[in-house]
Amino acid sequence: EIVLTQSPGTLSLSPGERATLSCRASQSVTSTYLAWYQQKPGQAPRLLIYGASSRATGIPDRFSGSGSGTDFTLTISRLEPEDFAVYYCQHYGRSPPMYTFGQGTKLEIK
Amino acid sequence: QVQLQESGPGLVKPSGTLSLTCAVSGGSISTSHWWSWVRQPPGKGLEWIGEVYLGENNNYNPSLKTRVTISIDKSKNQFSLKLSSVTAADTAVYYCATSRLYMLEHWGQGTLVTVSS
Repeated sequence: EIVLTQSPGTLSLSPGERATLSCRASQSVTSTYLAWYQQKPGQAPRLLIYGASSRATGIPDRFSGSGSGTDFTLTISRLEPEDFAVYYCQHYGRSPPMYTFGQGTKLEIK
Repeated sequence: QVQLQESGPGLVKPSGTLSLTCAVSGGSISTSHWWSWVRQPPGKGLEWIGEVYLGENNNYNPSLKTRVTISIDKSKNQFSLKLSSVTAADTAVYYCATSRLYMLEHWGQGTLVTVSS
């Protein structure tokens, strides 16, 4: 089973700054199977990025995903007030078929 | 766009069975989607429980497999989760979601289930 480790646990930044969130897999994974979600308090997660770098429908272009192998990154180019939330990476494994999540990165206002 | 709505008891007794339903609107449950359940204990991260496809195929999280059943009711356009032998560790917000192409695209708003006597 793939283990996803996200860093940092908490990231403190100001609106307008650039945010870089990391997701590291315990072994090399196929980029197709890597996604990112945003979750705000009291809300369900929202799909941001799939296939490591494709934005989901309606997601602003300040959100971008990159990476390959074991290291993946979610970048928010210029933080808006509504971007402060918890972010999760997710992997789909085929043997056995299952979804696993990282432990999350909390992006908070500095 | 597909919309999902969870429903079910908010309180379950220890050793009992947790039962939830997810109503699907804006589309037919008999599509190319898989239909998933995900849970989140208070203040913690996300855990995928399992998924069902057309009522004929299931995948479950190995850590929960012995206690989980996910099924589809095509006539009601909904799918269900049953989790048996629950303990306080099963207290969580339970979400239903569509799973397709290796991502969880559409989510319900979630429902809190507390396991307590």
